[in-house]
Amino acid sequence: GNSVTQMEGPVTLSEEAFLTINCTYTATGYPSLFWYVQYPGEGLQLLLKATKADDKGSNKGFEATYRKETTSFHLEKGSVQVSDSAVYFCALRGAAGNKLTFGGGTRVLVKP
Amino acid sequence: GAGVSQSPSNKVTEKGKDVELRCDPISGHTALYWYRQSLGQGLEFLIYFQGNSAPDKSGLPSDRFSAERTGGSVSTLTIQRTQQEDSAVYLCASSFGQGISYEQYFGPGTRLTVT
Repeated sequence: GNSVTQMEGPVTLSEEAFLTINCTYTATGYPSLFWYVQYPGEGLQLLLKATKADDKGSNKGFEATYRKETTSFHLEKGSVQVSDSAVYFCALRGAAGNKLTFGGGTRVLVKP
Repeated sequence: GAGVSQSPSNKVTEKGKDVELRCDPISGHTALYWYRQSLGQGLEFLIYFQGNSAPDKSGLPSDRFSAERTGGSVSTLTIQRTQQEDSAVYLCASSFGQGISYEQYFGPGTRLTVT
């Protein structure tokens, strides 16, 4: 079946540091890939997505590129802010289905 | 407009009791999903409703879990004879349709604690 593996946290960074959260997946066919974010006390929100190989999703300064050859969808941001402190989830949606399969989540803490 | 709402926000129950969790999707959204977020299992899919089609129940962990969606809108997730391992945050999501073009919007969740 489908699965998503992402790096465990917590990840602690200083403001303006570079952030990378690794995500790899296993799926049949051609899934769509997502990053969701859960800010403290809030619900899960879609951050960005990519629907086919080599697509780059971007939003709020975050980027992730769908790499089929390495089955990866790593999340990056060049200069993080305190407000980026949250839990980040990598997820996939299979070509034939509608449900999301999530990774375990990575907690990110950005210190001023 | 209003987002996905869930009630109650917190529920504490004794082992063996039944509980009902409610989800109000965004108006006009035809697809509705239930997920569970727990320490041991992460975020996992439970069940999916799309319009009048038969629901996809493939993620329900046992026959103690059931869900219904009345009138294509509100959904209730019922857990019978609750066990401690059922303690988790239950998330509901809805989307305007099925397929990749339609983003799933998540509610704030119901935190269930089984004592």
